[in-house]
Amino acid sequence: NAGVTQTPKFQVLKTGQSMTLQCAQDMNHNSMYWYRQDPGMGLRLIYYSASEGTTDKGEVPNGYNVSRLNKREFSLRLESAAPSQTSVYFCASSDGRGRGYGYTFGSGTRLTVV
Amino acid sequence: AQTVTQSQPEMSVQEAETVTLSCTYDTSENNYYLFWYKQPPSRQMILVIRQEAYKQQNATENRFSVNFQKAAKSFSLKISDSQLGDTAMYFCAFKSNFGNEKLTFGTGTRLTIIP
Repeated sequence: NAGVTQTPKFQVLKTGQSMTLQCAQDMNHNSMYWYRQDPGMGLRLIYYSASEGTTDKGEVPNGYNVSRLNKREFSLRLESAAPSQTSVYFCASSDGRGRGYGYTFGSGTRLTVV
Repeated sequence: AQTVTQSQPEMSVQEAETVTLSCTYDTSENNYYLFWYKQPPSRQMILVIRQEAYKQQNATENRFSVNFQKAAKSFSLKISDSQLGDTAMYFCAFKSNFGNEKLTFGTGTRLTIIP
């Protein structure tokens, strides 16, 4: 029972490099999310996908793109990494039924941009 | 837009004591959901407790309980008989009853249980 799987767990990038964070869930959830966690700021929503084929901006979308590849997978791409994107990134999924149940987080990716 | 405020960046308490973490929120909605999440050093986000705003009764999960004051828009978490394993970051979160299921988080409270 894997839940939400994120890869990689750690990554160091140089400024200007690109990378994609991968996320997959095996709970048949409709909705998926990408959050970033910074000290003193809690978790902030970057992008979300309410259902397969749809994506929407969250609170802090600048510098990121996402792809909902299928119902299971939701990737986050940094096209040109900047030091301000140093953070811990969490993928999450939910059943999308609106009751707040079944919200499941991945174990996070610690990204450092130097 | 909703906001969630946790005014206690850090707290510490002796093992076996009771501690209360504060959370206030701002919304114009009448029905919504509130959550407390625990994040231990492993970084995993763990749901501690969930409250539905239309329910008057405060949620309880073993040693964890909430004091939900809807009119005051307050949602505090009480941990009774605190244990060393309760040491973690605690986040309060809000979910609207409308639209998608995105969560709005507070800035967190770092709780340390002292042996």
